Order: sequence, then structure tokens, then C-alpha cells
Amino acid sequence: DTEVTQTPKHLVMGMTNKKSLKCEQHMGHRAMYWYKQKAKKPPELMFVYSYEKLSINESVPSRFSPECPNSSLLNLHLHALQPEDSALYLCASSQLPGQSAGELFFGEGSRLTVL
Amino acid sequence: RKEVEQDPGPFNVPEGATVAFNCTYSNSASQSFFWYRQDCRKEPKLLMSVYSSGNEDGRFTAQLNRASQYISLLIRDSKLSDSATYLCVVKEDGGFKTIFGAGTRLFVKA
Repeated sequence: DTEVTQTPKHLVMGMTNKKSLKCEQHMGHRAMYWYKQKAKKPPELMFVYSYEKLSINESVPSRFSPECPNSSLLNLHLHALQPEDSALYLCASSQLPGQSAGELFFGEGSRLTVL
Repeated sequence: RKEVEQDPGPFNVPEGATVAFNCTYSNSASQSFFWYRQDCRKEPKLLMSVYSSGNEDGRFTAQLNRASQYISLLIRDSKLSDSATYLCVVKEDGGFKTIFGAGTRLFVKA
């Protein structure tokens, strides 16, 4: 069983909707990540938070807005998405660089469909 | 050149076979290396980390060659349950950026 929990597992939204994806981990990790994965492609990094601060934004469009309210929670706010944004959104956590090799632990993902 | 390149696959092997996957990375400063397994429509799961001296976990053996910037995964005595996509993953030195290879699909048949 994964120790990274994501909700919802499935989400269908229209292009004018506002929705949020949520992620929670209880492993004491201080780094949290959002990845996007399209079918038959590897995960692509979107955002990284370290100590609840945004460390990396891989030039993600502003219609995706991350938030890290505390060390255990990570949100991804969605607004005015496009059909091509339909994908599996994966949350992951890890220890900080230097504390370990940095293995990522993934949640089961939120499968998003934009109509 | 892609940052992390893997054998394209798919690999179709019978049960009991030995199969090897290869992976090359372009950034010589990379420090951490992993193999992940991903089942269809599931999240990636850590299979094993890869250490400089090579490491083994049951039927799985991982090797790292820093000089050639090459990583390998050997699966012995393949099981039906080994059917999955295997992702080579490289982490940049001191950072958070984790680069995934495109993955190699393995089908193990009875």
C-alpha cells in the first residue's frame, strides 16, 4: 500500500471549471512533487516543493497552480484547462538531497479528463 | 540526445527466461540511479536503487558503469508477474530533478 494518498482518483471537468487535486504523505518527507503522465509516456516533472516552498517549476502553464499548505499536504489547483491536459497526475515525495539517494514514492495518481 | 535513453522494447520472453535492460544517461554529474516498475494504469513503484558496486535483490541485479554512463537491470527466472514497464531513473547531483527514461515494456508469456 502506498503511503502517499491522492484524491480524487478520477476527475472529469469542463474547460471552464475550477477543481483541485490533493496529495498527502505521512513519511516525514520534506520534498513533494507533481508529475504529469500521458499514456505510454514517462512521467514529466511539473513542480517540486522543498520545506513547503516552491523549488522547481518546469515552465508549467499558469492554469496549473500548486500549493503546499504544510509539510504533509500538496495541492494542485486547476483552472481553465484544455483537453490536452487530460492525463494521470502523480504526486510523489522524497527525503531531501543529502539525506538519502532521493527515491521517489508515488501516490496512485489522479486520472484527469478535460472535456 | 535524450537525457536518459532506454532500450525501446517491447521484450517478449517465456517464463523462466533471463532478460536484460540497458539504459544510458547524458549528465556525467548524475549521482543517484534507480529502476522503477510501472504496471498498466498504475503509479511507478521503486524496484531498486542502483549502486556503484552493483546490487542484487532476489532475481533482480542492477549494475552501474559510471565511465560509460550506463545502467543495466537483469531479471532472472522471469515470472508472468514481471510483465510491466521498467523505467530507468536518474537523479541529478544534489538536486530534486529526477529524469525518467521512456521505459521498456516487458511481456512474460507462459
